[in-house]
Amino acid sequence: KQEVTQIPAALSVPEGENLVLNCSFTDSAIYNLQWFRQDPGKGLTSLLLIQSSQREQTSGRLNASLDKSSGRSTLYIAASQPGDSATYLCAVSSNTGNQFYFGTGTSLTVIP
Amino acid sequence: AAGVIQSPRHLIKEKRETATLKCYPIPRHDTVYWYQQGPGQDPQFLISFYEKMQSDKGSIPDRFSAQQFSDYHSELNMSSLELGDSALYFCASSLSLTGGSYNEQFFGPGTRLTVL
Repeated sequence: KQEVTQIPAALSVPEGENLVLNCSFTDSAIYNLQWFRQDPGKGLTSLLLIQSSQREQTSGRLNASLDKSSGRSTLYIAASQPGDSATYLCAVSSNTGNQFYFGTGTSLTVIP
Repeated sequence: AAGVIQSPRHLIKEKRETATLKCYPIPRHDTVYWYQQGPGQDPQFLISFYEKMQSDKGSIPDRFSAQQFSDYHSELNMSSLELGDSALYFCASSLSLTGGSYNEQFFGPGTRLTVL
C-alpha cells in the first residue's frame, strides 16, 4: 500500500520568508500528485497538480516539484504571508488514477 | 464556477442510527470520491465511482455503502453508527483520465458527522 509522509509536521516562520514543504511516497507508480491547502475545520483547496511525466508546476508564489523515481515532491512558498497559515497536504494517485493517498500534512504558521 | 456540493453540512446522530450523506459533483465530472477525515488526521480514501460504477475501494467499513446515480450525484449510506464514525466526510469529483483531463480532484466543503 502506498505510504505518503510529509516533513515537517509543523512549521512556524516569520512573514516574508521563503519555505519548503516536503512530501515523500513509497510507490513511484503514480499517475499524478496534488498539493492541497486545508484551513481548520474546512474543506481542501487544490493548489497545484503535477502529472507523473512533469517535473514541476508553478502558480503565483507557489512552485511544486516532483521526482517520481525517488518518490519525492516539494512545495516551495515564496515570500510567505500570514494568510498562508494552514495545513498543507499532498496526495498521490494510483496509476489507475482512481484512488488517492494523502500525506500526514504540514501545519504552517506564518507570524506577522 | 460551480463547485462540489455536499449535504447536509452538519449531522448529529445517535449510536446505532443510520445516516445518508449526499454529494453533487461539478457538472461534467464523471468520477466521485469519498473520504473520511478524523480529528487531527489526514483524509482516508473510502470509495470511488466512475460513470456510476464502483471503481476503487479503500478503507470503507462493511457498515457503509455508497452509490452513484444516473445524474452523477452520489450518496454514502452509513448504518449502525459508532462513536468512532464521528468525522468530516469529504466528497471530491474529477473528470476522469478517459475524459481527457489530468484527473485533478476538487473537494466539497465536507459533512461534519457527530455520533453521540
